[in-house]
Amino acid sequence: GNSVTQMEGPVTLSEEAFLTINCTYTATGYPSLFWYVQYPGEGLQLLLKATKADDKGSNKGFEATYRKETTSFHLEKGSVQVSDSAVYFCALGDSGAGSYQLTFGKGTKLSVIP
Amino acid sequence: EAQVTQNPRYLITVTGKKLTVTCSQNMNHEYMSWYRQDPGLGLRQIYYSMNVEVTDKGDVPEGYKVSRKEKRNFPLILESPSPNQTSLYFCASSPTESYGYTFGSGTRLTVV
Repeated sequence: GNSVTQMEGPVTLSEEAFLTINCTYTATGYPSLFWYVQYPGEGLQLLLKATKADDKGSNKGFEATYRKETTSFHLEKGSVQVSDSAVYFCALGDSGAGSYQLTFGKGTKLSVIP
Repeated sequence: EAQVTQNPRYLITVTGKKLTVTCSQNMNHEYMSWYRQDPGLGLRQIYYSMNVEVTDKGDVPEGYKVSRKEKRNFPLILESPSPNQTSLYFCASSPTESYGYTFGSGTRLTVV
């Protein structure tokens, strides 16, 4: 079956540091890949997505590139802010065999300190 | 405002007492889904629906029921809740499988 593995947290960074959160996946078909963010006490928000190999998703300074050869979709940001403190989820959407399932990683908690 | 609305936000109930968590979206989305979020386990899909009257099991469907009689509504039914269903539940909707889900604000359920 499909699965998503992301680096375990928590991750603590100083403001303006470079962020990488690793995400790798296993899928039988040709999935779409997503990063979601969850701020404390809130639901999940779609941060960025990529629907095919070599696509780069970007939003709010975050980027991730769909790498089919390494089955990865790592999240990066060049300079984090305190307001980026949240839990980040990598997810895989697979619509093979006439069904649709969205599978999440377990989440990585990011704390950014001033 | 485009949104997914869940009710209630918080619910405490007793074992065995049937309950329904409602979910409604105003975006005319085809796909809807229910997830539960538990510490250390992340989000797990309970059920999803690809259109009216079309539903399918996710990863953890035991103890839950759903229905999709109208496009906008996708209620989650717990016929006989048990303490292991204590969790944070999210409803979500999407226009297509590659677009990405819009999530509701969540329902925190406690079963005692």
